Amino acid sequence: DTEVTQTPKHLVMGMTNKKSLKCEQHMGHRAMYWYKQKAKKPPELMFVYSYEKLSINESVPSRFSPECPNSSLLNLHLHALQPEDSALYLCASSHGKGPKNTGELFFGEGSRLTVL
Amino acid sequence: DAKTTQPPSMDCAEGRAANLPCNHSTISGNEYVYWYRQIHSQGPQYIIHGLKNNETNEMASLIITEDRKSSTLILPHATLRDTAVYYCIVRLYFNTNAGKSTFGDGTTLTVKP
Repeated sequence: DTEVTQTPKHLVMGMTNKKSLKCEQHMGHRAMYWYKQKAKKPPELMFVYSYEKLSINESVPSRFSPECPNSSLLNLHLHALQPEDSALYLCASSHGKGPKNTGELFFGEGSRLTVL
Repeated sequence: DAKTTQPPSMDCAEGRAANLPCNHSTISGNEYVYWYRQIHSQGPQYIIHGLKNNETNEMASLIITEDRKSSTLILPHATLRDTAVYYCIVRLYFNTNAGKSTFGDGTTLTVKP
């Protein structure tokens, strides 16, 4: 299994809603990432988890709250978002430290979020 | 992580080789060059990576200059399905932070029949 699975594929939410994006991988990877991608722009790193601990937060607003409950699962909790937060949210994973680590990122297909 | 510079767009005729350049003049000695591509509305896909030697796999070849300040991704026989945005990234290989891959603006490659 070399897949990163993201759900839902599409999400529409109001500014007062609370929703979550989910990402799952079963490749034994110990690093997981959230990226945000606006239309016609490159992906921008938001968060990195390494061995289930948050290692990088790229100064993301607190209305985005990541969670890594176990090594296979990564969530992004959304609350009080703004219309400008509408984007494609990409999850990725990679091997952690050690000989299997090639630095390669495995991406999911993304969750397309629209905030009304 | 070092910054990369790529041309915004390139065209290539189907069946011909596509040569995509990347400038990474501030690359440090322990940073690798990675290439990804993103086909419209899909997640980025890893293509290849290298440190200083040329690399080849089933998808592409990577040529890195001797001074490591630039590289070229070569798709030997481009097909219409290779139309995508191609990103060149430099990053540490064994980064204890689990890696911080920063994407530049990329090159939109259009393969034409």
